[in-house]
Amino acid sequence: AQSVTQLDSHVSVSEGTPVLLRCNYSSSYSPSLFWYVQHPNKGLQLLLKYTSAATLVKGINGFEAEFKKSETSFHLTKPSAHMSDAAEYFCVVRPLGWGGGNKLTFGTGTQLKVEL
Amino acid sequence: EAQVTQNPRYLITVTGKKLTVTCSQNMNHEYMSWYRQDPGLGLRQIYYSMNVEVTDKGDVPEGYKVSRKEKRNFPLILESPSPNQTSLYFCASSPRPSGNTIYFGEGSWLTVV
Repeated sequence: AQSVTQLDSHVSVSEGTPVLLRCNYSSSYSPSLFWYVQHPNKGLQLLLKYTSAATLVKGINGFEAEFKKSETSFHLTKPSAHMSDAAEYFCVVRPLGWGGGNKLTFGTGTQLKVEL
Repeated sequence: EAQVTQNPRYLITVTGKKLTVTCSQNMNHEYMSWYRQDPGLGLRQIYYSMNVEVTDKGDVPEGYKVSRKEKRNFPLILESPSPNQTSLYFCASSPRPSGNTIYFGEGSWLTVV
């Protein structure tokens, strides 16, 4: 079994300040972890993924995330928010091997608001 | 260009009128799946397919059917749509190794009145 908890449904930051979107997971199998972004009325775009290599993962648009097994966390960060970062963000877990039928489990999403 | 294509993108239909949402991928992926997205619930898996003629239920399969007769296509069928199936639907595909990137279609907005 696996699950994902995004700890904040809404996050509001000022432009130029750091972004932190929190994600905790549980998985019976070694996990792959992903962050996706969805801009209004758009599809899902991959920001970054962790697949058992380096625990600090760098993604597009200046985002990065750190896999912490001891804390079962995969928080998304960005040093300086931009207005274009306003969107909904989803944390996703998937078994790394063949266990669990390759099922994707999504968090419920975090809406990021960026203010001037 | 690698793509997952869904059709229709937008549809308003009436209760009970059968409809099919098509999904096609051009990457020779073995794994395909369908999700619905509802406010506050994230994306929930409806059905998935590990390969041709191999499909299985996800978390919310009630009211839906799928088929996988060809590798590239994975249609979602609503035999008798109801208003609680009004949602945004996403099709996704990925190669066999589970750590690989999942590719999503652009979504299909379905309203059942």
